[in-house]
Amino acid sequence: SQTIHQWPATLVQPVGSPLSLECTVEGTSNPNLYWYRQAAGRGLQLLFYSVGIGQISSEVPQNLSASRPQDRQFILSSKKLLLSDSGFYLCAWRGGTSAYYNEQFFGPGTRLTVL
Amino acid sequence: QQQVKQSPQSLIVQKGGIPIINCAYENTAFDYFPWYQQFPGKGPALLIAIRPDVSEKKEGRFTISFNKSAKQFSLHIMDSQPGDSATYFCAASSLGGYGNKLVFGAGTILRVKS
Repeated sequence: SQTIHQWPATLVQPVGSPLSLECTVEGTSNPNLYWYRQAAGRGLQLLFYSVGIGQISSEVPQNLSASRPQDRQFILSSKKLLLSDSGFYLCAWRGGTSAYYNEQFFGPGTRLTVL
Repeated sequence: QQQVKQSPQSLIVQKGGIPIINCAYENTAFDYFPWYQQFPGKGPALLIAIRPDVSEKKEGRFTISFNKSAKQFSLHIMDSQPGDSATYFCAASSLGGYGNKLVFGAGTILRVKS
């Protein structure tokens, strides 16, 4: 079976500090990977997605970047956090060698508060 | 054209009622329509999904109705329970598109009163 992990679960960071959020997927190979942000009480905003190692597509120009150093690892980073970066960050995966070709599955999320 | 419009924003029903959430899309290339359920502080969970070759799909108490000509689809929750209180998101994608990105509706906050 497939599982997706995100860490940390919660994070409180000062403005101007760096950020690194990690997502890993188990049980499938070569999945599509996605980073979303969800502001409080709001919808899901797609930030980045990746169809393979080193391949990153950005949806919204902003203060964040993403990398995929390994097949099942997706990292969200920032060099200097802004107050507006606060939110609930969700990683998701789809497809690969799993039996779930169409479905997209989300991780448990990271709650980021920038003070 | 990439938007998915979801209504209502919020919905309150009594236990046993049948809440209905509606979504509409414009992009005729969309061919996969999932629904997600999200509880506070958790990631969205895939609930049920439909392809445009069928007009209805049921899984337990959850039913998707799909109207291809109207470019609309809806979620019905039969015999709703307080435990169904959550935020529901519809989404759409073109499975042949690069990255198979999902376009999400804005969400509906459902409260089922006991």
